[in-house]
Amino acid sequence: AQKITQTQPGMFVQEKEAVTLDCTYDTSDPSYGLFWYKQPSSGEMIFLIYQGSYDQQNATEGRYSLNFQKARKSANLVISASQLGDSAMYFCAMRRGSNYQLIWGAGTKLIIKP
Amino acid sequence: DVKVTQSSRYLVKRTGEKVFLECVQDMDHENMFWYRQDPGLGLRLIYFSYDVKMKEKGDIPEGYSVSREKKERFSLILESASTNQTSMYLCASSFPGLVENEQFFGPGTRLTVL
Repeated sequence: AQKITQTQPGMFVQEKEAVTLDCTYDTSDPSYGLFWYKQPSSGEMIFLIYQGSYDQQNATEGRYSLNFQKARKSANLVISASQLGDSAMYFCAMRRGSNYQLIWGAGTKLIIKP
Repeated sequence: DVKVTQSSRYLVKRTGEKVFLECVQDMDHENMFWYRQDPGLGLRLIYFSYDVKMKEKGDIPEGYSVSREKKERFSLILESASTNQTSMYLCASSFPGLVENEQFFGPGTRLTVL
């Protein structure tokens, strides 16, 4: 069965430090995609970054990068130089094959300390 | 900018009431989704629609139905609300064609069933 696991329910990080949020996945489908979303306290989900299973290079978007290790089935989100505004829930999600549907992890609550 | 709106941010209903949650998107997206979000469980897909009058069950459709009479509007219906349907409900939409296209989310409706 397809599954997404985020093992860190919560994290505290000092401002300006780099952060790594863990995500492991399980699928037997050779074609899949991995998404990271941010959910601030306001509630709205914000798309951050995407990695396809056939992409050769790790995805990057500004301060966000995805450490994709296919053999280990992990897709960790790295936030460089964290800011107070990065405090939020972070969700990892996986596309199911060629379907547009996503399955989601339980999320990690990140708190950035000044 | 894509805008997804939901009819209410907060809603309180009584057990047994019929509840309508409305979602409207303004970017002509074919795909629309209804999720519920519960702490520790992430987002779970209730229903998915890929075109007007077309729908597919998600992972937890029991106790819910949906309606999509117009492309921009996707309604979630709780036929007879129960206390275990107290949750945050999120609507999303996406443009088909590329499976890496992200989903855009509304602000969510926090439903309490008494």
